[in-house]
Amino acid sequence: GENVEQHPSTLSVQEGDSAVIKCTYSDSASNYFPWYKQELGKRPQLIIDIRSNVGEKKDQRIAVTLNKTAKHFSLHITETQPEDSAVYFCASPNYGGSQGNLIFGKGTKLSVKP
Amino acid sequence: GAGVSQSPRYKVAKRGQDVALRCDPISGHVSLFWYQQALGQGPEFLTYFQNEAQLDKSGLPSDRFFAERPEGSVSTLKIQRTQQEDSAVYLCASSLRARTSGHNEQFFGPGTRLTVL
Repeated sequence: GENVEQHPSTLSVQEGDSAVIKCTYSDSASNYFPWYKQELGKRPQLIIDIRSNVGEKKDQRIAVTLNKTAKHFSLHITETQPEDSAVYFCASPNYGGSQGNLIFGKGTKLSVKP
Repeated sequence: GAGVSQSPRYKVAKRGQDVALRCDPISGHVSLFWYQQALGQGPEFLTYFQNEAQLDKSGLPSDRFFAERPEGSVSTLKIQRTQQEDSAVYLCASSLRARTSGHNEQFFGPGTRLTVL
C-alpha cells in the first residue's frame, strides 16, 4: 500500500520568510495530492491540492510542486504570517487498498515568529 | 451552509464502556469517511461509506469498532469495550461525489476527542 513520508516534523521561521514542507510517496499510481492545515484543536482544512497532470499550482502565498518521477511533492508558503502557524499534513491516495483512501503524513508543525 | 458536525465534542469513558460517536455530513454528500487521529499524528483511515453502503472497513483496528450510515446521511461510529489505546480524536469527513468519480475535497468535522480512563 501507499506510504507517505513528511519532513520536517517541526519548522520555525521568521515572519516574512518562506517555508517549505516536503513529502514523498511510494505508489506510482497516485494522482492526487492534497495539503491540509490544522490549527490547534480545530478540524483539518484543505488549503491546496494538485493532480498528476500538472507540476505546480499556486494560490496567492501558497504553492505546491509535484515531481512524479521522484515521487515527491512540496508545499511552499511565501511571506509567512503568524496566522500561518499550524500543523500541515500532506496526503496521497492508497490504491493498494480497495477504494483509494487518503494516507496522511505525520504532519509538520510550523511556527511563524513575529 | 452548515459544515460537517460531530457530537459529542468530548467523551470520557471508563475502560470497558461502549461509546457512540455521531457524524452529520454536509447535506447531499455521497462519501463519508471516519479517521482516527492520535496525538501528534496525522489522521488514519478507519472506514468509508458511499451513501448507505460501507464499501471499505479495512482501517478498523479491531472487531470492537463498528460503523453504520443506515439512511445515507448521518453516521455513527461505535466502539465496544473501550480500551485506553482507543483514546484519540475521531474525525469524520464527507465529500460530494463517490470516490470512484475521482478524488475530491474531503470536508472534515471538528472531531470527537475520546479519552478512555
